Amino acid sequence: DGGITQSPKYLFRKEGQNVTLSCEQNLNHDAMYWYRQDPGQGLRLIYYSQIVNDFQKGDIAEGYSVSREKKESFPLTVTSAQKNPTAFYLCASKPRDSQSYEQYFGPGTRLTVT
Amino acid sequence: KQEVTQIPAALSVPEGENLVLNCSFTDSAIYNLQWFRQDPGKGLTSLLLIQSSQREQTSGRLNASLDKSSGRSTLYIAASQPGDSATYLCAVDQFYFGTGTSLTVIP
Repeated sequence: DGGITQSPKYLFRKEGQNVTLSCEQNLNHDAMYWYRQDPGQGLRLIYYSQIVNDFQKGDIAEGYSVSREKKESFPLTVTSAQKNPTAFYLCASKPRDSQSYEQYFGPGTRLTVT
Repeated sequence: KQEVTQIPAALSVPEGENLVLNCSFTDSAIYNLQWFRQDPGKGLTSLLLIQSSQREQTSGRLNASLDKSSGRSTLYIAASQPGDSATYLCAVDQFYFGTGTSLTVIP
């Protein structure tokens, strides 16, 4: 059963702690993406990766970091430098980083920082 | 910068009604537009992808049209069902998302 998995579904952290969100896909997609969704706002791009060992900042990369050591995995770390980390985080992937393809999304992780 | 608008923010219709959801964008030079469905607390499910060279795409009871010159796309849902209740989002060129229209279909 191919798809994108994100874990955990809910995550709670204290302010000042770093936290890593998992994103795994078995679709054999090259391109992977991290978005943030806040109430009343559209999705905003945090980071993306076109290929293993390569990634680029999106519109709101400050306070976040990523790695892409394997094709299947694209974890996102929310650092203590992120001012407003509480949000719904969505991971997506595409076969290639090209406008010809549609993107597929995971189920999301809701992060709450208090 | 591309701006994407979806109006209305919320819509309620009785079951069986046909309905149209709207998506407007400010820059007509686009590559594609994708419609998604999002259930509460869930990820996005892709419904239809329209490339810039296409005028419409159909999947079952869904039909999406694209008019680049006017900066508009519509998602037509025929014979609506309670299971269609969700938030519908459009995205232009993958990265520019609207804030969505929350649809409620009343049995």
